[in-house]
Amino acid sequence: QVSLRESGPALVKPTQTLTLTCTLSGFSFKTNGLCMAWIRQPPGKALEWLARIDWDDDKYYTTSLETRLTISKDTSKNQVVLTMTNVDPVDTATYFCARDWGNWAFDLWGQGTPVTVSS
Amino acid sequence: EIVLTQSPATLSLSPGERATLSCRASQSVSNYLAWYQHQPGQAPRLLIYDASSRATGIPARFSGSGSGTDFTLTISRLEPEDFAVYYCQLRSTRPPSLTFGGGTKVEIK
Repeated sequence: QVSLRESGPALVKPTQTLTLTCTLSGFSFKTNGLCMAWIRQPPGKALEWLARIDWDDDKYYTTSLETRLTISKDTSKNQVVLTMTNVDPVDTATYFCARDWGNWAFDLWGQGTPVTVSS
Repeated sequence: EIVLTQSPATLSLSPGERATLSCRASQSVSNYLAWYQHQPGQAPRLLIYDASSRATGIPARFSGSGSGTDFTLTISRLEPEDFAVYYCQLRSTRPPSLTFGGGTKVEIK
């Protein structure tokens, strides 16, 4: 079955580094044309795109957060990892990973993982 | 930076009615516009890409149109499962990036 599953800590303290993992099932990141992205949604707010990594390792980041974000992939584990440094309470959100095939339209999403930043 | 403004913020309609959702860009854009449906607690669902192409498995009652700065998602006859929040999303190419609109909530009247 084709699916995505996000995982990571539910609670992190301000200034810490957040690491989130997205595990792909039913398809492989070795597939040409596959792109994976991270998108978040703060409580009561709209969706916000964060980063994308392509099958050929090209990477893209939202301008406002690019100094704090790193996206990477582990094809042997079929995973995509997002790290966010120096987190702040405004980073409290549900974080989603999503798939696209190069056209930036995400046809598969995970259920999301909620992250709270609080001391 | 391009800003996407969705209107109305909330649309109150009855099942069977037609829903018309607007997404306006702050400057003229390509047709790399997508629409998503988002139910609370669920994964968002791709409805439309490239402004007017329906995604796989999406019912024909969903249609997208528009170009330039004004785009529209139309749901011809609302089904009970269509009451949700809808987001438009624009891809920019230089540099490659993505912007979401603020969303329109379609609620039962």
